[in-house]
Amino acid sequence: DAGVTQSPTHLIKTRGQQVTLRCSPKSGHDTVSWYQQALGQGPQFIFQYYEEEERQRGNFPDRFSGHQFPNYSSELNVNALLLGDSALYLCASSLVGCSLFNPYNEQFFGPGTRLTVL
Amino acid sequence: AQSVTQLGSHVSVSEGALVLLRCNYSSSVPPYLFWYVQYPNQGLQLLLKYTTGATLVKGINGFEAEFKKSETSFHLTKPSAHMSDAAEYFCAVSYGGATNKLIFGTGTLLAVQP
Repeated sequence: DAGVTQSPTHLIKTRGQQVTLRCSPKSGHDTVSWYQQALGQGPQFIFQYYEEEERQRGNFPDRFSGHQFPNYSSELNVNALLLGDSALYLCASSLVGCSLFNPYNEQFFGPGTRLTVL
Repeated sequence: AQSVTQLGSHVSVSEGALVLLRCNYSSSVPPYLFWYVQYPNQGLQLLLKYTTGATLVKGINGFEAEFKKSETSFHLTKPSAHMSDAAEYFCAVSYGGATNKLIFGTGTLLAVQP
């Protein structure tokens, strides 16, 4: 059973460029969340995709956008890169379910994509 | 705003000593609580979680944590540290709902001395 996979592993870009990061969720999962982890910080929630729509968004500018495909995989796009966008970008997948007995749907994390902006 | 505080960004213990990593949350509504571990250049691995039921939860690698509502705390402990425990540890909370997004603390880097 494949876990959450992300590509690429590492990426180097220059200021002003655009970048696309990819995520494949754990088998059977239908929801993908993206987090940004700056050096020395905890991960920060960017947004979540479910049924190909953005369901909730954290405190990130519109330069950050995403997409979810019918196979539940997802992309994170960042436009007009800034030096401060350098970080580890983590993807997490979960299964949306409606259960009175287990209202929390555990998230499983991928290994991340290390983005360096020069 | 909901937040998570981890006291001590760096903790150093000797091999075989007790590990205690502190986590407090700020919320009037008890959240779901988690501890994650991150090894260098890797993603996050779930150590343990509290959602409902028994307040003392056991996780992988001999770690456990106790949810204390009155203290809004969820401290992580391990009776005897091993060299392989050296890593960064993150406490996180979630309030369920539609997105179950995680709110993380800033992390505690655990060093284990021989």
